[in-house]
This record gives sequence, C-alpha cells and structure tokens, in this order.
Amino acid sequence: GEDVEQSLFLSVREGDSSVINCTYTDSSSTYLYWYKQEPGAGLQLLTYIFSNMDMKQDQRLTVLLNKKDKHLSLRIADTQTGDSAIYFCAVLDNYGQNFVFGPGTRLSVLP
Amino acid sequence: DVKVTQSSRYLVKRTGEKVFLECVQDMDHENMFWYRQDPGLGLRLIYFSYDVKMKEKGDIPEGYSVSREKKERFSLILESASTNQTSMYLCASRANSPLHFGNGTRLTVT
Repeated sequence: GEDVEQSLFLSVREGDSSVINCTYTDSSSTYLYWYKQEPGAGLQLLTYIFSNMDMKQDQRLTVLLNKKDKHLSLRIADTQTGDSAIYFCAVLDNYGQNFVFGPGTRLSVLP
Repeated sequence: DVKVTQSSRYLVKRTGEKVFLECVQDMDHENMFWYRQDPGLGLRLIYFSYDVKMKEKGDIPEGYSVSREKKERFSLILESASTNQTSMYLCASRANSPLHFGNGTRLTVT
C-alpha cells in the first residue's frame, strides 16, 4: 500500500526559512496535502497542490512537487514562533478514497 | 466553514469500561473517519463510513466499533477499554474535498 515518509524533527531560527520534506510511494494522488497541527489541537489544512503542478505559492508558503522522485516539500519563508507545530504530508491511497499520512515533522522555531 | 465537533477534549476511563467518543459535522458530508494519533506513528485509520448505517474497517479496527445512525454523527466505541488504547483520537469528515478535522479527544485509560 501507500507509504509516506517524513523526517520527525526540524529546528530553525526565527526569520530563517524552513523546508519540510516528504516522500511517497504511489503517484496516483490527484492532490497532495500539507496539514498543520498546533499543540492540543486537531489537524488544520495548510495548503495543497494539484498533481499536474510543480509548484504552488501561497504567501509565505511554497509547495514543490517532484513527481519523478515522488518528493513533496513545504517551504515556510521568514519562519515565526507561531509556526512551531507538527506538519503532516498526506496523499490519497491507490483507490482515491482514504488519506495516508506521514508520521509528521515537528518544527521548532528558536528565538 | 466546515465545523467538526468532538464532544470531549479530555477523557479518563478505567480499564474494562465501555467508552463512547462522539463526533458531529455540520456540512452534510457523506464521509466520516476516526483516526488515532500516537507519537512517531502519525495518524492511523480505525474506521470510516461513506453513508448512514455504513461502516468500513480501517487499518487498526481491533478493539473498536462505530455507529452512524445519522449523517452528521459518527461515534467511536471502545467496547472494553484497555491501557493500550490511551491515545489522541481524531474525527474527520469530507465530501469531494480535503479532510476536515475536529480538535481531538485525548483519552487516558488507567
């Protein structure tokens, strides 16, 4: 079945850029998603990219998709302390019905 | 805006108790899901439902059951709670859209 991998931790200094990486095993997903989870809360949809796009920019967020390498990344420019959270990459499974999530990357922003 | 509401943020139950986790969504979504979240394991799908009175097993259904009597409500039931079911439980719903999540219920079984 589908497998989604992420590194578990990332630390950056306030004002720097953060890059969170994700790899997946199946390329049939029409959309690929990034979710953000703040402490004690559920997951909030952050952004998503259509599978026929290579890049999507939304204010401080840039999503890059390399379909050949099955690699998705999320770049956060000018990272702030409020960006400290767990970030999940998610794709739809082979049947297009259920989501498969990565383990989440915990982003820590140091002052 | 889609709202998914989980009835409890925190629950503490004893081993062997029957536990009900309730979830309600207000956007008439057909699809509803229950996940559990554990550190380092991400989200794992327990059960999902595509319509009223329909249910499908996810990846880890053992020890759980569900009920979907009304379209807006999806309940997760722990028939006899055990300590290894201590976890964060997340409910979600969708139509032809991304998943929308509730705020989660942190369940502790002692």
